[in-house]
Amino acid sequence: DSGVTQTPKHLITATGQRVTLRCSPRSGDLSVYWYQQSLDQGLQFLIQYYNGEERAKGNILERFSAQQFPDLHSELNLSSLELGDSALYFCASSERQGGPLGYTFGSGTRLTVV
Amino acid sequence: DAKTTQPNSMESNEEEPVHLPCNHSTISGTDYIHWYRQLPSQGPEYVIHGLTSNVNNRMASLAIAEDRKSSTLILHRATLRDAAVYYCILTNFGNEKLTFGTGTRLTIIP
Repeated sequence: DSGVTQTPKHLITATGQRVTLRCSPRSGDLSVYWYQQSLDQGLQFLIQYYNGEERAKGNILERFSAQQFPDLHSELNLSSLELGDSALYFCASSERQGGPLGYTFGSGTRLTVV
Repeated sequence: DAKTTQPNSMESNEEEPVHLPCNHSTISGTDYIHWYRQLPSQGPEYVIHGLTSNVNNRMASLAIAEDRKSSTLILHRATLRDAAVYYCILTNFGNEKLTFGTGTRLTIIP
């Protein structure tokens, strides 16, 4: 157990639907990062939150949104789902902004869009 | 982000040392060198990181060239559980996200 909890582990849904992925960071970590890993594209950074505020944005589609709540857990919302959104979605957390501290990853949510 | 170059794949025999190279010729003075690995069907896992000096931990050693333009991750005695994709990543102070390349797929031969 890495200390980063992602739920659900697996999700199967139909095209056009909306889903929410949840991430609880390691205790004490203020930053949360979301990554998408599909078979043909590797690990792609989506978005980062630090202590409730958006900090950095990567290749995140407009159909996707995220937020970090006061208790520091984060949710990634994916809407109008397409077949190409099928992927593993990882959440990572780190202790504080700035500094080369280690990042802890969760075990991921496997999303299958049918 | 400064880029890194790694071999696509490497093989090593079980119980032998493994040296995984990484080139980062455009590294800046404040870039840290991180290594992560990803086992099949799992999230990436922190291995080690360093700035200028060589580093050791229970998992591996990191050897950094004097000019910092390359580094080597050393697994002292490979086991089958070390079979994974290994990523060499640079991060700058204040720019926290990890940018993953394609990494090196390490195969351990029994």
